[in-house]
Amino acid sequence: ETGVTQSPTHLIKTRGQQVTLRCSSQSGHNTVSWYQQALGQGPQFIFQYYREEENGRGNFPPRFSGLQFPNYSSELNVNALELDDSALYLCASRSKAGDTGELFFGEGSRLTVL
Amino acid sequence: AQRVTQPEKLLSVFKGAPVELKCNYSYSGSPELFWYVQYSRQRLQLLLRHISRESIKGFTADLNKGETSFHLKKPFAQEEDSAMYYCALKGAGGTSYGKLTFGQGTILTVHP
Repeated sequence: ETGVTQSPTHLIKTRGQQVTLRCSSQSGHNTVSWYQQALGQGPQFIFQYYREEENGRGNFPPRFSGLQFPNYSSELNVNALELDDSALYLCASRSKAGDTGELFFGEGSRLTVL
Repeated sequence: AQRVTQPEKLLSVFKGAPVELKCNYSYSGSPELFWYVQYSRQRLQLLLRHISRESIKGFTADLNKGETSFHLKKPFAQEEDSAMYYCALKGAGGTSYGKLTFGQGTILTVHP
């Protein structure tokens, strides 16, 4: 069974740029969620995708957007990067929306905005 | 709004001592609560959930709705328990559907 994989693991961008982070969900999982984890903080929910549609969103501005593909992989896009966007971005998958709540996390993509 | 508070950022105990990691929550509905753990150089993973009422690796957690708490306990800590622990609450309905709200985490260090 393949776990959740994310790419890239590390990247550096400058303010105002755009970034795309990628995630392959665990085999058999059709729901993907994204979390932002700032240094010293717990993960914060960005949004969730189920069957290629966003079906839950946290308190993040519209410049944070996502996609889910037919194979259940997902992308997180952030436009007009700000310094405060520097964080670890975690992708998590689970078997279906509304299940037990257990999430399977990737190792994250660490974004640094200069 | 839902909120999870873990008042201790750091907790140190000696091997064999009891350990309790505190978690308090704020939620208007019926909560589902979890403890997630991240061991060194590993990814975040589920430790236990209150619905299952199970003991995992010797850890238990009881949901106290009166005190809005979900403290994680283990009677005899082991060195391999050293890790970052996150308490999390699962939302339901509306735009919070499926969302997990995490606390800030507690770093547990068990000394030999």
